[in-house]
Amino acid sequence: TQLLEQSPQFLSIQEGENLTVYCNSSSVFSSLQWYRQEPGEGPVLLVTVVTGGEVKKLKRLTFQFGDARKDSSLHITAAQTGDTGLYLCAGAGSGGSNYKLTFGKGTLLTVNP
Amino acid sequence: KAGVTQTPRYLIKTRGQQVTLSCSPISGHRSVSWYQQTPGQGLQFLFEYFSETQRNKGNFPGRFSGRQFSNSRSEMNVSTLELGDSALYLCASQFGGGADTQYFGPGTRLTVL
Repeated sequence: TQLLEQSPQFLSIQEGENLTVYCNSSSVFSSLQWYRQEPGEGPVLLVTVVTGGEVKKLKRLTFQFGDARKDSSLHITAAQTGDTGLYLCAGAGSGGSNYKLTFGKGTLLTVNP
Repeated sequence: KAGVTQTPRYLIKTRGQQVTLSCSPISGHRSVSWYQQTPGQGLQFLFEYFSETQRNKGNFPGRFSGRQFSNSRSEMNVSTLELGDSALYLCASQFGGGADTQYFGPGTRLTVL
């Protein structure tokens, strides 16, 4: 069974601060996705990383996939209140399990004004 | 294009009853996946349907079942409800499945009393 551990589980910061959340596994994934989920809504895909060592930027968000494709991080610069939400990482297995995403339990981020 | 719709949005049932949830994918999408989300376990994969066939299945008991119709709409059924079935049930729509982007609906909040 492939497991994804996300840390921290909860994070409360002030607007303007920087933060990093982590997604770690002992398994190798063919790709890894990051989602944000707001209350009362389903998760929305932010980015997919595929290549080990890959770095992708989405405005103030920077995503990195580990060299061994077992871990990933999300860094937010100058957080805003609109960044508040549950951040989920999800790994896609290789081969026959490729159709199933394994999700971490998420990091609940609160950005205070 | 309209997004993924799920009905009903909220549902209250009692132990022992059964429930049917519905999901209408994005027009043109042929794959529908179902997930259960709880605070303790996070997002867990239930099953995926593609062109009316179950293509992948998670580790849930046989009380959880689903089906997909020729118009790609999907239903999931939970029989003999237990208190632990209380959760947010999310469906996700994909064009073809696999590594295609998953678009999540807002979910159905099921409470079992």
